Amino acid sequence: SAVISQKPSRDICQRGTSLTIQCQVDSQVTMMFWYRQQPGQSLTLIATANQGSEATYESGFVIDKFPISRPNLTFSTLTVSNMSPEDSSIYLCSVVRQGYTGELFFGEGSRLTVL
Amino acid sequence: RKEVEQDPGPFNVPEGATVAFNCTYSNSASQSFFWYRQDCRKEPKLLMSVYSSGNEDGRFTAQLNRASQYISLLIRDSKLSDSATYLCVVNTYTGTASKLTFGTGTRLQVTL
Repeated sequence: SAVISQKPSRDICQRGTSLTIQCQVDSQVTMMFWYRQQPGQSLTLIATANQGSEATYESGFVIDKFPISRPNLTFSTLTVSNMSPEDSSIYLCSVVRQGYTGELFFGEGSRLTVL
Repeated sequence: RKEVEQDPGPFNVPEGATVAFNCTYSNSASQSFFWYRQDCRKEPKLLMSVYSSGNEDGRFTAQLNRASQYISLLIRDSKLSDSATYLCVVNTYTGTASKLTFGTGTRLQVTL
């Protein structure tokens, strides 16, 4: 399986600040995604991180709030901007590896608490 | 109606019991289906794919009923280590890309 490292694993932030989460994969992957899992909720896709171009956002998520970078095929960042307590959640990076049709590999997640 | 619906549970069962989870999906055009397992405070991991003919992997059996738009997961001879949340996942091709939709999960607690 893919080794996916996320940093930070957890953080406590003040309202109004921004936090950038990093995702590093041990091999090149084509498809890379960012999900959010709020307490007691299902995983919700925020966006698909596209290498060398702007991310593709799902309904309800916008670039100004969740800017994403993907400079190469092994790395991506998600920024949660101007945070409010409603942004408290687990943010997960996930990838699809070649040969693993339909299977998503997830990072361990970044648990964010906004005060 | 939610795209993917699951009974949140929790299902509390004794060790050795057989337990079944159902999941319904709303989009009849959905093409592929999966069960993921998520342990407490951990990331989800693929448990098994669900094939039209049904498939079995050890103590786990997955079934798909396209006519009724539901998927099931049967766990036989439950172990303590089966305690986790089981996520139903549906893959739908939107015309431009595949979209994976997750259910909220069904929590299973296996007890002595």
